[in-house]
Amino acid sequence: DAGVIQSPRHEVTEMGQEVTLRCKPISGHNSLFWYRQTMMRGLELLIYFNNNVPIDDSGMPEDRFSAKMPNASFSTLKIQPSEPRDSAVYFCASSPVGDSNQPQHFGDGTRLSIL
Amino acid sequence: RKEVEQDPGPFNVPEGATVAFNCTYSNSASQSFFWYRQDCRKEPKLLMSVYSSGNEDGRFTAQLNRASQYISLLIRDSKLSDSATYLCVVKTGNNRKLIWGLGTSLAVNP
Repeated sequence: DAGVIQSPRHEVTEMGQEVTLRCKPISGHNSLFWYRQTMMRGLELLIYFNNNVPIDDSGMPEDRFSAKMPNASFSTLKIQPSEPRDSAVYFCASSPVGDSNQPQHFGDGTRLSIL
Repeated sequence: RKEVEQDPGPFNVPEGATVAFNCTYSNSASQSFFWYRQDCRKEPKLLMSVYSSGNEDGRFTAQLNRASQYISLLIRDSKLSDSATYLCVVKTGNNRKLIWGLGTSLAVNP
């Protein structure tokens, strides 16, 4: 079975450029999460969706970050303009329908470096 | 104070040793607790949920102490393949938002 699929796996770009990260959740999962992981701050939830609707975006650092989920099988996280402090590993995760204790299944992550 | 705190380690133990990690959480209203495992440069994966009465899964035992607001993970007869970072995760409320600790690093040596 296909897991959560993220692209690209790695992204290196110059500051000021727009960055778009993509995620395809596991089919049938109705919750999708975007996380950022750094050594200093660990895993931080940026935003999550239930049934394609954003539920909690309190973790989105600032207006430069935006996320969309146009349908049940695709989500994007966009950073515009990017800054060096955005360098991190960005994970997408999904969880199945059911009670809120369902485990979250993570993609391989996107390693983002902003020069 | 961080919402979820863990000793970062690293814990270096020989094969076959027993090792235990603790994690404290600040919100007394927290309802659900989990341990996730993350291998180097990989994604986190659920290791086990933590139930009020404690629970065991093979060599792994998880305990919850609500009065002192901590959870623990005990690994018996540790294997080389147990080397990883163990993330303590807490959920408060009925939403799906998880609060993550920074992780405890374990290295099991031959």
